[in-house]
Amino acid sequence: NAGVTQTPKFQVLKTGQSMTLQCAQDMNHNSMYWYRQDPGMGLRLIYYSASEGTTDKGEVPNGYNVSRLNKREFSLRLESAAPSQTSVYFCASSERDRGGGQPQHFGDGTRLSIL
Amino acid sequence: GESVGLHLPTLSVQEGDNSIINCAYSNSASDYFIWYKQESGKGPQFIIDIRSNMDKRQGQRVTVLLNKTVKHLSLQIAATQPGDSAVYFCAENARGAGSYQLTFGKGTKLSVIP
Repeated sequence: NAGVTQTPKFQVLKTGQSMTLQCAQDMNHNSMYWYRQDPGMGLRLIYYSASEGTTDKGEVPNGYNVSRLNKREFSLRLESAAPSQTSVYFCASSERDRGGGQPQHFGDGTRLSIL
Repeated sequence: GESVGLHLPTLSVQEGDNSIINCAYSNSASDYFIWYKQESGKGPQFIIDIRSNMDKRQGQRVTVLLNKTVKHLSLQIAATQPGDSAVYFCAENARGAGSYQLTFGKGTKLSVIP
């Protein structure tokens, strides 16, 4: 049982390049999330998918797009990378929230540097 | 806006002692709280959660206390071990907001002195 798996673990891009971060979970969770973590700041939500077939913007969606490929997989795409997108990106998943809140379970992150 | 915060950015404890990590929250609508542990180079790891209908919840070597009167949350780690060295942060979820609206604190770094 791997939990949440993210690929790649590290990536260096040049400004203007594009790339897709992959995420897969094997916990049969309905909801999936993408966060970025920057020094001195808490995790900030980029996009989320409450259930298969739906996606919504979070706190900091600009410059990103997402695809919920199926129940297991949720990808994050940078169309034209900018230095401000240098960060550590985390994917998470959770059970369906029935109104009381659910813990999110995280992958080990993708460390992305934009030159 | 309202946000989750932490009293202490760093905490050093002797191996074997108990650790207490604190978190203040300001959103009175929050009714679900989670503690995470994040080791260097790893993702946040779920430790324990608590709902607002409880004051205390215990796990293995950890206890979370919730004081709704003063909007305060704490994580107690018993018999702290070197493997407990990490950043700990709390997260809160407002009532009915949906799990996607977790608000995360910045974290407290716990260093265990052998």
